[in-house]
Amino acid sequence: GDQVEQSPSALSLHEGTSSALRCNFTTTTRSVQWFRQNSRGSLINLFYLASGTKENGRLKSAFDSKELYSTLHIRDAQLEDSGTYFCAAEGSNYQLIWGSGTKLIIKP
Amino acid sequence: SVLLYQKPNRDICQSGTSLKIQCVADSQVVSMFWYQQFQEQSLMLMATANEGSEATYESGFTKDKFPISRPNLTFSTLTVNNARPGDSSIYFCSSSPRGVYEQYFGPGTRLTVL
Repeated sequence: GDQVEQSPSALSLHEGTSSALRCNFTTTTRSVQWFRQNSRGSLINLFYLASGTKENGRLKSAFDSKELYSTLHIRDAQLEDSGTYFCAAEGSNYQLIWGSGTKLIIKP
Repeated sequence: SVLLYQKPNRDICQSGTSLKIQCVADSQVVSMFWYQQFQEQSLMLMATANEGSEATYESGFTKDKFPISRPNLTFSTLTVNNARPGDSSIYFCSSSPRGVYEQYFGPGTRLTVL
């Protein structure tokens, strides 16, 4: 089965609201990265985590290597947060194993 | 971080032709990765290219179909041979700065094969 299970596959939020995305891992991973892909296709690295939590503005991510999951919290969602969010786990050969993505739409 | 540039940013070609996609980094990097992304899908790692050695291909991707060169620490090319409509997708190169694990991506090359 898939090594990285990402949920939800799609999410619609009103501006100003908050929500969380989640990735579950079926095997141990050393680290996780979160990316956002905008409508033009550009991929931006949001976070790299080997453990614990990181915060950047309205985004906060956590990685629990023992419980095999990671979350990305979006607080006070803004229109520019729209896009597709991917998590990616570090594989045994340092390659990235990608989740299937969460398509996020922010409504005014 | 590392900045990656790709050329061309998009291309349209006829079935059976070959095309090259170039990736340039603004600093020396150890590994460069090539990904394929079909519309509305996740990214698939195609191959890993280290300077001076043959690229390592993932399952489903072959050297004959997608030859990759890595002549130096800032440059790589991906060739799509005998292009077919099923190859129509976005191709990304990515890499990490030395000593850093975060991956950064080029802007992508959107390929359409007619």
